[in-house]
Amino acid sequence: QKEVEQDPGPLSVPEGAIVSLNCTYSNSAFQYFMWYRQYSRKGPELLMYTYSSGNKEDGRFTAQVDKSSKYISLFIRDSQPSDSATYLCAMITGTASKLTFGTGTRLQVTL
Amino acid sequence: ETGVTQTPRHLVMGMTNKKSLKCEQHLGHNAMYWYKQSAKKPLELMFVYNFKEQTENNSVPSRFSPECPNSSHLFLHLHTLQPEDSALYLCASSPLAPWSEYEIEQFFGPGTRLTVL
Repeated sequence: QKEVEQDPGPLSVPEGAIVSLNCTYSNSAFQYFMWYRQYSRKGPELLMYTYSSGNKEDGRFTAQVDKSSKYISLFIRDSQPSDSATYLCAMITGTASKLTFGTGTRLQVTL
Repeated sequence: ETGVTQTPRHLVMGMTNKKSLKCEQHLGHNAMYWYKQSAKKPLELMFVYNFKEQTENNSVPSRFSPECPNSSHLFLHLHTLQPEDSALYLCASSPLAPWSEYEIEQFFGPGTRLTVL
């Protein structure tokens, strides 16, 4: 079993839709949960991160963590064509220096 | 130049060639990383350097040889690679490794797309 599972997609949605991206994980020691966005021919960039369980909102983006279910989500409201990218979840324990990534989900927002 | 830069952006090499990838960060960070990104696979951490010292080697084959002459530059020397080594090689930097919860972000370069024939 992989430490982090993420559906690679692709996921295609119309402009304005609400997008839900998800990851599940098996290591209960993970404490920090991140979402990176990677545009084509670019490196990943950190979108947002949360500590432990709960929600965090930043503009159109909401990150949600449910540690009891080992499940994290990223919601994108009012999706735009500029949101078309690959979204990678990543996690880290409180002591390690190594990030554990999901495979990434490719999102396409169409006009 | 700003952020993290990588050269070359694309590289095609034969299995007997020797080549090097270069990474430079302009962020004043002390930690630098090499990752391998293959299609439909998670990013794989290869090496970690902290204050120029290698602190992690993730069981990477010896045909990959990293070099960190200072905190701003990182190289990945390649020799006798295999076709399965074809991938996007990403360099990243962060203020420290292990990180601080207040400085959690790793900053990535655009990557070098490597093809081994």
